[in-house]
Amino acid sequence: DAMVIQNPRYQVTQFGKPVTLSCSQTLNHNVMYWYQQKSSQAPKLLFHYYDKDFNNEADTPDNFQSRRPNTSFCFLDIRSPGLGDAAMYLCATSRTSGRQNTEAFFGQGTRLTVV
Amino acid sequence: AQSVTQLDSQVPVFEEAPVELRCNYSSSVSVYLFWYVQYPNQGLQLLLKYLSGSTLVESINGFEAEFNKSQTSFHLRKPSVHISDTAEYFCAVYSQGGSEKLVFGKGTKLTVNP
Repeated sequence: DAMVIQNPRYQVTQFGKPVTLSCSQTLNHNVMYWYQQKSSQAPKLLFHYYDKDFNNEADTPDNFQSRRPNTSFCFLDIRSPGLGDAAMYLCATSRTSGRQNTEAFFGQGTRLTVV
Repeated sequence: AQSVTQLDSQVPVFEEAPVELRCNYSSSVSVYLFWYVQYPNQGLQLLLKYLSGSTLVESINGFEAEFNKSQTSFHLRKPSVHISDTAEYFCAVYSQGGSEKLVFGKGTKLTVNP
């Protein structure tokens, strides 16, 4: 039944060691988002894909990259994780068609720990 | 650009008491509005949404929210809360016909005490 699936749920990585988080969806939505959420804070949008078009937020560090090889999958790559990158990473999808937006559907998140 | 303000970062209440979580937004165009709930170590779950039509929207677990265009508000209410309603609640907004970006408020931590 899960429609937006994030793997893994928990990820431990070493300081400076590249890590990739994955997200897949069965909804065939054209928009996919990556949010970073630190403890007791609101989700912060890092970037999103509108179809194949990549949209980076102005304040997203270069250390964060993303790939969307097809409609169903989207990856978050952290090239050199620092201690400050420890957070919950949330993937979400929505369908946007002209002036119509659906609500965003979220995965369960990946809790990233940097040691 | 749109923005969302949730004035109350924490709201403690007793079980069976009524609660209101406040949300105000700003946007130069018409909006879609949402409330999401987040339990510890979980993703966000949609609680209810306003897209168009009736300004009062309800969820299956007794929450309701009313879109008030003149006051640019979308406050969340429940007449009688349960212990299980303890969670973080986020208000969010899309601008209609504008960016597909979903913008969140800072969240309100609702704690229901016995």
